Amino acid sequence: DTGVSQDPRHKITKRGQNVTFRCDPISEHNRLYWYRQTLGQGPEFLTYFQNEAQLEKSRLLSDRFSAERPKGSFSTLEIQRTEQGDSAMYLCASSLLPTWQTTGETQYFGPGTRLLVL
Amino acid sequence: AQTVTQSQPEMSVQEAETVTLSCTYDTSESDYYLFWYKQPPSRQMILVIRQEAYKQQNATENRFSVNFQKAAKSFSLKISDSQLGDAAMYFCAYRSAGFGSRLTFGEGTQLTVNP
Repeated sequence: DTGVSQDPRHKITKRGQNVTFRCDPISEHNRLYWYRQTLGQGPEFLTYFQNEAQLEKSRLLSDRFSAERPKGSFSTLEIQRTEQGDSAMYLCASSLLPTWQTTGETQYFGPGTRLLVL
Repeated sequence: AQTVTQSQPEMSVQEAETVTLSCTYDTSESDYYLFWYKQPPSRQMILVIRQEAYKQQNATENRFSVNFQKAAKSFSLKISDSQLGDAAMYFCAYRSAGFGSRLTFGEGTQLTVNP
């Protein structure tokens, strides 16, 4: 068990460019979450997947953001036409929800991708 | 919508002493989960302890324990025998027991451990 991994760890881009982040969850974890954390604040929920289905999206996830989890394993988060306000740490978390449970399982976080938009 | 408030932006403790971090939350739900996560500098968020709201007994994990007061909507974290490695940002988080799986975090408390 190698934990949740994220790539890249750091990304610097110019305003208007597109960026894509990848998250690899803990093996066999069926739920995957994306959060955004700005400096000095707690993480804010963006979206989550159960297997390949995207079940919930926050209002923070504007039309410029899109997330996928095509085969129910790794996930990508793409930001199109980046803005300076997108500068933040993007955190991924995963969890294993047993079939007999509907919620309450522990989420395990990755190291995050720190995005700076110039 | 649920909210989580951590009223102590910064706390400090002497090594080997005990410190308590405060957290309050607002919800109309009766069933939910509460968590404390630790985020060391430039390192990933780690679960410290969790509490199910339906359990009256306070959760404990080695040197970490909580004081869960459901009526007061309070969920404080006590760290006993503080160690230098406990220095980190601590986040309190709420999670509904209903369908939504999001964690709602507080603003965090920066804990410094002095040798």
